[in-house]
Amino acid sequence: GAVVSQHPSRVICKSGTSVKIECRSLDFQATTMFWYRQFPKQSLMLMATSNEGSKATYEQGVEKDKFLINHASLTLSTLTVTSAHPEDSSFYICSAEGATGNTGELFFGEGSRLTVL
Amino acid sequence: SQKIEQNSEALNIQEGKTATLTCNYTNYSPAYLQWYRQDPGRGPVFLLLIRENEKEKRKERLKVTFDTTLKQSLFHITASQPADSATYLCALYNFNKFYFGSGTKLNVKP
Repeated sequence: GAVVSQHPSRVICKSGTSVKIECRSLDFQATTMFWYRQFPKQSLMLMATSNEGSKATYEQGVEKDKFLINHASLTLSTLTVTSAHPEDSSFYICSAEGATGNTGELFFGEGSRLTVL
Repeated sequence: SQKIEQNSEALNIQEGKTATLTCNYTNYSPAYLQWYRQDPGRGPVFLLLIRENEKEKRKERLKVTFDTTLKQSLFHITASQPADSATYLCALYNFNKFYFGSGTKLNVKP
């Protein structure tokens, strides 16, 4: 099946710094990628839909200036958490819809655990 | 408001039995519904998809039903094994986006 690679898997940073998370589709082109965050024992919360070559669409309540999304190519989307604070600590997961036919399957990255001190 | 509800309590069953997990939703009109498996600290992995015009879908030991009148999907694992222990998430595809339930943790005891 299709592979989505996410990097870094873990990052620890100081409060006030910015952190960039990369999401790559390794063997297919993804015109659309989705970014989720997940708190312990809770569901995945959709943050934004990332569209190649255009601006991301953010869900209600998600600050676009706080969570910058760039989808510059068909295989790479990045999420930058700007001026991170401890409350931004979470598990961030990206996903892409399979490009081989309309299977509707979402392929997920392995997730990035962000800890802000 | 829109909700996707899965039983938040863990489901504990004996190896060899059938596990049945429930997903109920309100105020969605999904074109299809999916089930994913998630292990601790990992991203979800796709298991099955069922469309709104389908009643039932099977894949090996897995079976999914979809009742759009009841707004409910049931996910069955037959002949369960300890390796099936994980959190299972249902997801709805609605207006070009995927929305997830909170998941149900399944524990299969040997």
